[in-house]
Amino acid sequence: AQSVTQLDSHVSVSEGTPVLLRCNYSSSYSPSLFWYVQHPNKGLQLLLKYTSAATLVKGINGFEAEFKKSETSFHLTKPSAHMSDAAEYFCVVTISGSARQLTFGSGTQLTVLP
Amino acid sequence: EPEVTQTPSHQVTQMGQEVILRCVPISNHLYFYWYRQILGQKVEFLVSFYNNEISEKSEIFDDQFSVERPDGSNFTLKIRSTKLEDSAMYFCASSTQGTVYEQYFGPGTRLTVT
Repeated sequence: AQSVTQLDSHVSVSEGTPVLLRCNYSSSYSPSLFWYVQHPNKGLQLLLKYTSAATLVKGINGFEAEFKKSETSFHLTKPSAHMSDAAEYFCVVTISGSARQLTFGSGTQLTVLP
Repeated sequence: EPEVTQTPSHQVTQMGQEVILRCVPISNHLYFYWYRQILGQKVEFLVSFYNNEISEKSEIFDDQFSVERPDGSNFTLKIRSTKLEDSAMYFCASSTQGTVYEQYFGPGTRLTVT
């Protein structure tokens, strides 16, 4: 079975400072990993995905994530937070034996302070 | 930009009643999914649907649940006899065959069973 752990349920940063949202995964096989974002009253939006190509993945809105197999991590970063980044972020992994069923982490609520 | 839409945004029903949650996937997508999120818990996979049949389902998706694509545009989730524990946010998602894993989510339907 595969699983994903988001290490922080809440993260607060000041506008203009870096963002780091942490995610560790557990997998028996090479995983595919994703970050999704959910703004209030909106659907889940794909930020970026890792599917065994480049380990540093760039996504939308200036976010990026690095797949580190040795650390089983897939942390999400952004150099400079913007007020519009305030949302809930989900780290997601594909489950073993299933190319399509997504397994979600518990989410990290990002607050951006002015 | 095309979006997945869901109706209603909020549904209140009494225990034992049947409910139908509706979704309109993105028009050229071929794979359809339902997920749910009980308040305070992780987003959980329920079912995936392709070529007019269920391709995968989770343990949650028992005999009280069913899915249908009645008219080529809508994708529905029916809960036959609702229980209190069915109260959750239900998300519909869709994906194309060409972009494996990249699922596009709707804004969700909040189901409250009283």
